[in-house]
Amino acid sequence: GQNIDQPTEMTATEGAIVQINCTYQTSGFNGLFWYQQHAGEAPTFLSYNVLDGLEEKGRFSSFLSRSKGYSYLLLKELQMKDSASYLCAVGGRYGNKLVFGAGTILRVKS
Amino acid sequence: DAEITQSPRHKITETGRQVTLACHQTWNHNNMFWYRQDLGHGLRLIHYSYGVQDTNKGEVSDGYSVSRSNTEDLPLTLESAASSQTSVYFCASSAYGVGSTDTQYFGPGTRLTVL
Repeated sequence: GQNIDQPTEMTATEGAIVQINCTYQTSGFNGLFWYQQHAGEAPTFLSYNVLDGLEEKGRFSSFLSRSKGYSYLLLKELQMKDSASYLCAVGGRYGNKLVFGAGTILRVKS
Repeated sequence: DAEITQSPRHKITETGRQVTLACHQTWNHNNMFWYRQDLGHGLRLIHYSYGVQDTNKGEVSDGYSVSRSNTEDLPLTLESAASSQTSVYFCASSAYGVGSTDTQYFGPGTRLTVL
């Protein structure tokens, strides 16, 4: 089976840096995705990691350690619009199917 | 621009009725997925399809069915709606074939209430 854990909620201040962690246990591994979901909207793709290391995209970076079953999403220079839920999802043995964590609600305060 | 749409966006129905939620994508993607999202559970996979005439059960498929008669559409049917099926339903699609990991793109969602 597959199990994905991420914190339920986090609060951070505008302009700060926040790290959202995700740990996973899967039967097979074909990549890890991060999605952003604003309240009442669809999830939108943020990042994809399949090899160990850091992937940077502007203010957002995502890190993966396959040996530890661990990933994090790093958000820099936080803005109020970053208040959203962040979903970690893992592609398992057969790739196409993703298993999602329950999501981390990030609240950015001024 | 290519897109993925869902209809209706909101639906209220009664227990025991059959309900069909539509999903249409113009990406020409092979893979299509249906999820439900409930507080505390995240996105859970209901059914998925890797191509025309292919359908597969996901984690929470009981009480739901799908059919894939063309590339663009994957309608989700609730055979006899139950209050436990009150949820937000998302359709998603991705490009590549079986065994490949690819980004899934989501539709706007359908909020279903079963009274």
